[in-house]
Amino acid sequence: DQQVKQNSPSLSVQEGRISILNCDYTNSMFDYFLWYKKYPAEGPTFLISISSIKDKNEDGRFTVFLNKSAKHLSLHIVPSQPGDSAVYFCAASGERGLNNAGNMLTFGGGTRLMVKP
Amino acid sequence: NAGVTQTPKFRVLKTGQSMTLLCAQDMNHEYMYWYRQDPGMGLRLIHYSVGEGTTAKGEVPDGYNVSRLKKQNFLLGLESAAPSQTSVYFCASSYSRRGGYQPQHFGDGTRLSIL
Repeated sequence: DQQVKQNSPSLSVQEGRISILNCDYTNSMFDYFLWYKKYPAEGPTFLISISSIKDKNEDGRFTVFLNKSAKHLSLHIVPSQPGDSAVYFCAASGERGLNNAGNMLTFGGGTRLMVKP
Repeated sequence: NAGVTQTPKFRVLKTGQSMTLLCAQDMNHEYMYWYRQDPGMGLRLIHYSVGEGTTAKGEVPDGYNVSRLKKQNFLLGLESAAPSQTSVYFCASSYSRRGGYQPQHFGDGTRLSIL
């Protein structure tokens, strides 16, 4: 059973408008959430993250919102640019005790964002 | 500034053949990971390592083995390749959790086809 889900496989947005990508999770032990961006034939690159003790984190055009009660997070891109066209992965991490790979990530299936000029 | 380097970038194997994928990082990261990416399923963790000489199973470890003899290298082996192992394989590395989460850094992937 997928613990992190991105229910929209694709999203198309006009340049200059807002892009909103959504992610739902089921495991309440997750304490850190990340968004990665992936271009074709490249590896995922880290975009922005948020700790579970916060509800918003902003970095330039990118803002991530976390709603813990709903187990939902979203990535807002404003304004959207054609260069933002990529696959976006939501990922979550939870501490698992001593001597562990506490950095292990559980990924969603990805959302392909297309920003039209 | 290479970051995470994966070798090879592409490979085609026949069923039953064996091969090793190499991952090298130059960031002095303690942790290293191997993922596979399949359409619509995101990235799934195969094996990981929290330090030189240590490895552990991830979500989908069957059919794979790993070794971390040096801190900077993490090898993924397929002993007897099967068509179900056709996928894109990504290696990643990160610092350990030290006062906060440390993002993973990914290589550009190895595209593997098993015929």
